Amino acid sequence: KNQVEQSPQSLIILEGKNCTLQCNYTVSPFSNLRWYKQDTGRGPVSLTIMTFSENTKSNGRYTATLDADTKQSSLHITASQLSDSASYICVVILNYGGSQGNLIFGKGTKLSVKP
Amino acid sequence: DTAVSQTPKYLVTQMGNDKSIKCEQNLGHDTMYWYKQDSKKFLKIMFSYNNKELIINETVPNRFSPKSPDKAHLNLHINSLELGDSAVYFCASSQGGASGETQYFGPGTRLLVL
Repeated sequence: KNQVEQSPQSLIILEGKNCTLQCNYTVSPFSNLRWYKQDTGRGPVSLTIMTFSENTKSNGRYTATLDADTKQSSLHITASQLSDSASYICVVILNYGGSQGNLIFGKGTKLSVKP
Repeated sequence: DTAVSQTPKYLVTQMGNDKSIKCEQNLGHDTMYWYKQDSKKFLKIMFSYNNKELIINETVPNRFSPKSPDKAHLNLHINSLELGDSAVYFCASSQGGASGETQYFGPGTRLLVL
């Protein structure tokens, strides 16, 4: 069964600290993996897209890693800011002819950054 | 100059009613989507249209009918609303339908069926 599991479910950190969010998937065949940030009451916003051949990708203070062998990805946030408080959703895309329709979403990790 | 916009933002209605949610994108994208996010925060794709043509229709009840008058608009009409339809509905768009394309999401429509 194609699944995306994220951990932890929720996380509270102090402003300025680093944190790492985890994503494990059992999706096959794999096309690419994405991390989205969803602020409360808003739509998700794409942070990174990684294909199976990419091990790491950065977007500012966000760095995503991917290990296609162990089917694990992580999102590392450096020097957290209050505005990083949001849900972070891992999405894995199945490789069926390149269609966008085969997206498997994780439940997300709810991050709270406290002053 | 919102990229993907949805109306209404909130929708409260009685069971059995028919309602529509509108979506417009001004990004010039060819592909648009509807997603449902339930109370457990799972996002699930419902429909995808490419250049006004339906390309994905997941296992959604036929009470839900998308309509794309042009490639910048994808509206969602829901007949005979049920309690279980309560959720947040997100519209999204991407340049093409390929898996590597970034999707841009609208702000969501919060539907509550009483």
